[in-house]
Amino acid sequence: GAGVSQSPSNKVTEKGKDVELRCDPISGHTALYWYRQSLGQGLEFLIYFQGNSAPDKSGLPSDRFSAERTGGSVSTLTIQRTQQEDSAVYLCASRPRLAGGWETQYFGPGTRLLVL
Amino acid sequence: SQQGEEDPQALSIQEGENATMNCSYKTSINNLQWYRQNSGRGLVHLILIRSNEREKHSGRLRVTLDTSKKSSSLLITASRAADTASYFCATARVLGGNTPLVFGKGTRLSVIA
Repeated sequence: GAGVSQSPSNKVTEKGKDVELRCDPISGHTALYWYRQSLGQGLEFLIYFQGNSAPDKSGLPSDRFSAERTGGSVSTLTIQRTQQEDSAVYLCASRPRLAGGWETQYFGPGTRLLVL
Repeated sequence: SQQGEEDPQALSIQEGENATMNCSYKTSINNLQWYRQNSGRGLVHLILIRSNEREKHSGRLRVTLDTSKKSSSLLITASRAADTASYFCATARVLGGNTPLVFGKGTRLSVIA
């Protein structure tokens, strides 16, 4: 079946502009996560959504970052007034409803963001 | 802060050799997972080992977990050029919970044909 998809694949923007990154999770997956990966680094957690619960925003680096998940499916990560340090690959992952503590996440291909 | 720390940061081996990567973590975990990433893009789940397990196999992969030392190792046997990628360990801290996985910085494996 279809995996997690993300768009755009690549985004180049100018410092100060706003950007929106989109994630389409696997159908039926109740949990959705956003991560950021800077060059040569591991993944940094940003935010996650679980069903209708309030999202966990504890990883967002600043108030310029926000995310929504509409209808329990598609999610949009918005970065306002982008800065050069926001340049990274933004990865989305989804996970099916937990059964027995199974917590494998399924990742999309990522959006590579470059802020000039 | 990073929970898992992989060691070594980079590893270069000849095709056919075995590759061993290590991961250390700091807090109690429910399970530990290994992921693979090609070309800085999406991650692919390789294997999950629970805190009450000590060893697990999947094809050419062998994972061990030592909760007393808070460490895990990933062994890839009979490596192939196609195994060239970055490998990350990730820990899940809450049983059945929704907490995000905590990833290390990864080991970059190069398998030379």
